[in-house]
Amino acid sequence: ETGVTQTPRHLVMGMTNKKSLKCEQHLGHNAMYWYKQSAKKPLELMFVYNFKEQTENNSVPSRFSPECPNSSHLFLHLHTLQPEDSALYLCASSQGPLETQYFGPGTRLLVL
Amino acid sequence: RKEVEQDPGPFNVPEGATVAFNCTYSNSASQSFFWYRQDCRKEPKLLMSVYSSGNEDGRFTAQLNRASQYISLLIRDSKLSDSATYLCVVNMGTNFGNEKLTFGTGTRLTIIP
Repeated sequence: ETGVTQTPRHLVMGMTNKKSLKCEQHLGHNAMYWYKQSAKKPLELMFVYNFKEQTENNSVPSRFSPECPNSSHLFLHLHTLQPEDSALYLCASSQGPLETQYFGPGTRLLVL
Repeated sequence: RKEVEQDPGPFNVPEGATVAFNCTYSNSASQSFFWYRQDCRKEPKLLMSVYSSGNEDGRFTAQLNRASQYISLLIRDSKLSDSATYLCVVNMGTNFGNEKLTFGTGTRLTIIP
């Protein structure tokens, strides 16, 4: 299934690095999301974009910076991360904010 | 009280058995409800939406009880391929632009041959 793609699939970075996660959806959806999934914790919503406008920032630290240049692409820019930021970062999209969300395969991030 | 609460399990169930999970939610104004399935090291995928009148999809039945604020998932004639973590998902938002899809921690199910 290639409805929602994410790159890279795995990323190891040091605390001083800057990297970006990319998400692309091919479903013609209008809403896109970033989630964080840590071990033994529920999925945590980070950001929501609807028609390219950010509608939710769920108290995420500023070392995570989202960008949504168009309704098909979503980026998560990372800088000066902490080891506790190591997690699976999932992108999702939906037709509208109340509609079913479809997830990408995720980027497994390890911060050393 | 957690916004969305599930029994984490694990549930170890013999093949062919029937298994049921419940999930409670805290916000009585929640609008929509879903069950997602997540296989090990994979992304969550929608299993089924949960409608007020209850709905069935093959061996899977979902129910919503607004009065008691819980949803349930029943799996009949369980298969080995049903082994996964089942995520209860509730949309806590009430207004357009205020949507908040909240996930439970998931219930881990293992079907035993």
